[in-house]
Amino acid sequence: EPEVTQTPSHQVTQMGQEVILRCVPISNHLYFYWYRQILGQKVEFLVSFYNNEISEKSEIFDDQFSVERPDGSNFTLKIRSTKLEDSAMYFCASTGDFRDLQHFGDGTRLSIL
Amino acid sequence: KNEVEQSPQNLTAQEGEFITINCSYSVGISALHWLQQHPGGGIVSLFMLSSGKKKHGRLIATINIQEKHSSLHITASHPRDSAVYICAAYYGGATNKLIFGTGTLLAVQP
Repeated sequence: EPEVTQTPSHQVTQMGQEVILRCVPISNHLYFYWYRQILGQKVEFLVSFYNNEISEKSEIFDDQFSVERPDGSNFTLKIRSTKLEDSAMYFCASTGDFRDLQHFGDGTRLSIL
Repeated sequence: KNEVEQSPQNLTAQEGEFITINCSYSVGISALHWLQQHPGGGIVSLFMLSSGKKKHGRLIATINIQEKHSSLHITASHPRDSAVYICAAYYGGATNKLIFGTGTLLAVQP
């Protein structure tokens, strides 16, 4: 069964550094999402992406964040200058229809030191 | 404000027991998702429903639109069902994001 894959599984970065989290959504899906989960808290929406542009973003998704679909298969989340509070599990999800189930990757655990 | 509440927060059951996890939401939704989060952190979508009931194996999800309430039932529970179960609301319209509840940590003991 096709699945969403995320790399790396764990990323450790110094505060202030840039980090890129990578996702390969399911190949025929059209809608892509990033969510994050701070340890012990609920999953929070960051951004949705459709037709090569952001369709919605949360107030968490400030100017330090950006998303890209550089080559038609990868979907990346970039954090320009990481802060301690960016430490969280980041999940990528995709779906073929926004009214359908979203398929999640296993997440990238980001630790900012 | 769009909020999603779950109960209980923690649930311990004996193997074979029938389990119910509840979810309520504050305003009208287009659909309600149930997801499972494994101890390692990965998330798996279980159901999406906008009315009635859905069944998959030993899992049953129901929704009552008028009461803004959904339940996830697990029949003949097994230790491998131990996980966090999360409901998430999809409000539709101009948004296609999910709004997540806080999750229910289920431990099924042998």
